Amino acid sequence: EDKVVQSPLSLVVHEGDTVTLNCSYEVTNFRSLLWYKQEKKAPTFLFMLTSSGIEKKSGRLSSILDKKELFSILNITATQTGDSAIYLCAVESAGAQKLVFGQGTRLTINP
Amino acid sequence: DVKVTQSSRYLVKRTGEKVFLECVQDMDHENMFWYRQDPGLGLRLIYFSYDVKMKEKGDIPEGYSVSREKKERFSLILESASTNQTSMYLCASSLSWGDLEQYFGPGTRLTVT
Repeated sequence: EDKVVQSPLSLVVHEGDTVTLNCSYEVTNFRSLLWYKQEKKAPTFLFMLTSSGIEKKSGRLSSILDKKELFSILNITATQTGDSAIYLCAVESAGAQKLVFGQGTRLTINP
Repeated sequence: DVKVTQSSRYLVKRTGEKVFLECVQDMDHENMFWYRQDPGLGLRLIYFSYDVKMKEKGDIPEGYSVSREKKERFSLILESASTNQTSMYLCASSLSWGDLEQYFGPGTRLTVT
């Protein structure tokens, strides 16, 4: 059974800190891994990773995939209160045409 | 911008009622999905559809059915609502087969009493 595990489940830091969120997975025929940010309502897409070792970057957020060790990390530098959200990791197995989501990490940034 | 809308943000129903949750997308996407989101469990796929009148079971289809009569609309039906179906329901769509970047609606928080 395909499985995605995120850690930590909850994290509270101060504004300006750097955080690292983890996502490990076990899927048959891995195709891609996606990160989403969910504030009060709809999750919004952040990154899609398909190749190992290639960092995707968007402003203060970056993510990298390790296909050998079956995990991905999402880094956020110089955190701001607007980064407070649930961060979701999802994985697709080839041919499945669906995503398997992890439990999410609830990140809280205190001023 | 892709827009995915859901018919209600909050809904309260009684046990045994038939419940319809509607989802509409305006970008001609082929794929549509229904998830439920519960604390500590993340998003779990209930059903998805990759074409009009086509449907596939997700990971937790029991107690639910779906309908996709038109490309833009995907309905989730709870035939006889139960308290364990109290949850946040999220609809999503993606462009076509092989495109896994999903666009989500704002969610419907359903409470079954």
